[in-house]
Amino acid sequence: DAKTTQPPSMDCAEGRAANLPCNHSTISGNEYVYWYRQIHSQGPQYIIHGLKNNETNEMASLIITEDRKSSTLILPHATLRDTAVYYCIVRVAGTGNQFYFGTGTSLTVIP
Amino acid sequence: GAVVSQHPSWVICKSGTSVKIECRSLDFQATTMFWYRQFPKQSLMLMATSNEGSKATYEQGVEKDKFLINHASLTLSTLTVTSAHPEDSSFYICSASGESGTQYFGPGTRLLVL
Repeated sequence: DAKTTQPPSMDCAEGRAANLPCNHSTISGNEYVYWYRQIHSQGPQYIIHGLKNNETNEMASLIITEDRKSSTLILPHATLRDTAVYYCIVRVAGTGNQFYFGTGTSLTVIP
Repeated sequence: GAVVSQHPSWVICKSGTSVKIECRSLDFQATTMFWYRQFPKQSLMLMATSNEGSKATYEQGVEKDKFLINHASLTLSTLTVTSAHPEDSSFYICSASGESGTQYFGPGTRLLVL
């Protein structure tokens, strides 16, 4: 079962930062936070993941609270192509460990 | 990122026939692959975990005799939907796990059973 809670939907103006929250209050010490997004009728796309430190890559930044019970994915300059469902998943690292998807957040970027 | 392909991208079949879907990791070796199913307006549901050279592990409620999984090599896993029925119509997605543990997903296969 998914161990995360996300708002069902959010809007963001094009060019502005999109901040997507995720609660994972029961996260274990060895579980990572992963973020994926799914554009309509496509497979999920990996965005970023982290354990406890904040992470940044070319797509986004991941901010994890000190107690690790919540995190925020930041898309610094949202574009229309960022409109998608964003999933936050917690999972123990390792090749054989499963992902259980929650309902995600449907982000709509508005022109 | 790593590339995972699926074939076919869509398939229409008659009720009672079997359909095979292939999942390939194109630029890395994947000891573990996963199969998901997604119904309209719903999230992805994990069906099974496929390990190279061993039997797949199915999630609770997924019929292993109906959804046959074969993972014969480090780059290929197949899902066969046997005796498909209209209720099996769905979007089937695979993923492959690289050394880091990050899963990379295929583009999905849309199955319509008439």
